[in-house]
Amino acid sequence: DAGVTQSPTHLIKTRGQHVTLRCSPISGHKSVSWYQQVLGQGPQFIFQYYEKEERGRGNFPDRFSARQFPNYSSELNVNALLLGDSALYLCASSFLAGTYNEQFFGPGTRLTVL
Amino acid sequence: AQTVTQSQPEMSVQEAETVTLSCTYDTSESNYYLFWYKQPPSRQMILVIRQEAYKQQNATENRFSVNFQKAAKSFSLKISDSQLGDTAMYFCAFYGGATNKLIFGTGTLLAVQP
Repeated sequence: DAGVTQSPTHLIKTRGQHVTLRCSPISGHKSVSWYQQVLGQGPQFIFQYYEKEERGRGNFPDRFSARQFPNYSSELNVNALLLGDSALYLCASSFLAGTYNEQFFGPGTRLTVL
Repeated sequence: AQTVTQSQPEMSVQEAETVTLSCTYDTSESNYYLFWYKQPPSRQMILVIRQEAYKQQNATENRFSVNFQKAAKSFSLKISDSQLGDTAMYFCAFYGGATNKLIFGTGTLLAVQP
């Protein structure tokens, strides 16, 4: 079975632009979580979605939004990009809601904001 | 607010030796979950081991075991018979409370030397 997939792998944007990152969970998994990992730091929780509903939100500004589709794939959107948004964005899927369940991570999307 | 602290930014161990990675956390929750995640150089994060706070017995997974000291709020990871494939960034993570957030520490970079 395929693992969690994310697209694109790398992305370069300029300040003020908008970006959409995509994630496909493991088949059968209904929950998707998003994390931001700045270089040299641990991942920071952004959102969790389960059955298309938001189940958790981290301390990120409203410029960050996400949604989950009927096939359980998910998009993370970031508006008005800032230099500080440069990071590795990780998606993780799990069968159940609650981030205490084992999460399976994708390879990430490396976002660079110039 | 919950916090997770990993005080060892980098560690090195010889192949076949044993190494212990430290983690402390702060919480007022009585029930919670603790995790060690491994992020190899290829970046895909995987779960190493999980401990539920209400379980007194320390979790073990093959060569990986934890020393969970609830009163001291300490959760260390012991890797026995270290292998070259254990070279990775190791993150300690905490889940507790109603926020559904998984909180990661800053990580420990472990290098296994041949």
